[in-house]
Amino acid sequence: GAVVSQHPSWVICKSGTSVKIECRSLDFQATTMFWYRQFPKQSLMLMATSNEGSKATYEQGVEKDKFLINHASLTLSTLTVTSAHPEDSSFYICSARQGAATFFGQGTRLTVV
Amino acid sequence: QQQVKQSPQSLIVQKGGISIINCAYENTAFDYFPWYQQFPGKGPALLIAIRPDVSEKKEGRFTISFNKSAKQFSLHIMDSQPGDSATYFCAASMGGSYIPTFGRGTSLIVHP
Repeated sequence: GAVVSQHPSWVICKSGTSVKIECRSLDFQATTMFWYRQFPKQSLMLMATSNEGSKATYEQGVEKDKFLINHASLTLSTLTVTSAHPEDSSFYICSARQGAATFFGQGTRLTVV
Repeated sequence: QQQVKQSPQSLIVQKGGISIINCAYENTAFDYFPWYQQFPGKGPALLIAIRPDVSEKKEGRFTISFNKSAKQFSLHIMDSQPGDSATYFCAASMGGSYIPTFGRGTSLIVHP
């Protein structure tokens, strides 16, 4: 299957700072990428849909000013968690769509201290 | 409103046994049904997927059975192995955006 690379796999940051997470499709071009948040032992919660060259579409309840998404090229989307707080600590996962299939990155464990 | 209902929430199977996970959906516009496997601390990996014009699809030890009239589909893992212990998610999506709607997941434990 297609490969999606997410970086970093884990990050610890201080409260009030910003953190950027990168998501790359390595062997295909992805016009659409997705960002998810996953709480322990729960399903994936879609945060936003990222389309190359246009603004991201955020799900209801997701603060777009806090979770900045940029899809600058057909192989790269980034999620920036701005002014992070401990409640933002979570597992963030990106995915990229190829046809009907969606392929996921490895995930990023964010811990805000 | 949960559009994709998955059961059971957890499943324990002996090595060599058959693991069966079921999902039901509401929206008849869904036309793509993937299953994902997720290990702790990792992103989900696409296992197998099916379209509604097919009643069954098999890849190795993994088989999807699809019942369009009942709006149900299931994952069968034959000869289950301890290495299959993971969380499994079913999903459904429709043409256009193909944004997956996920089930709540099934935690599978395969005892040696």
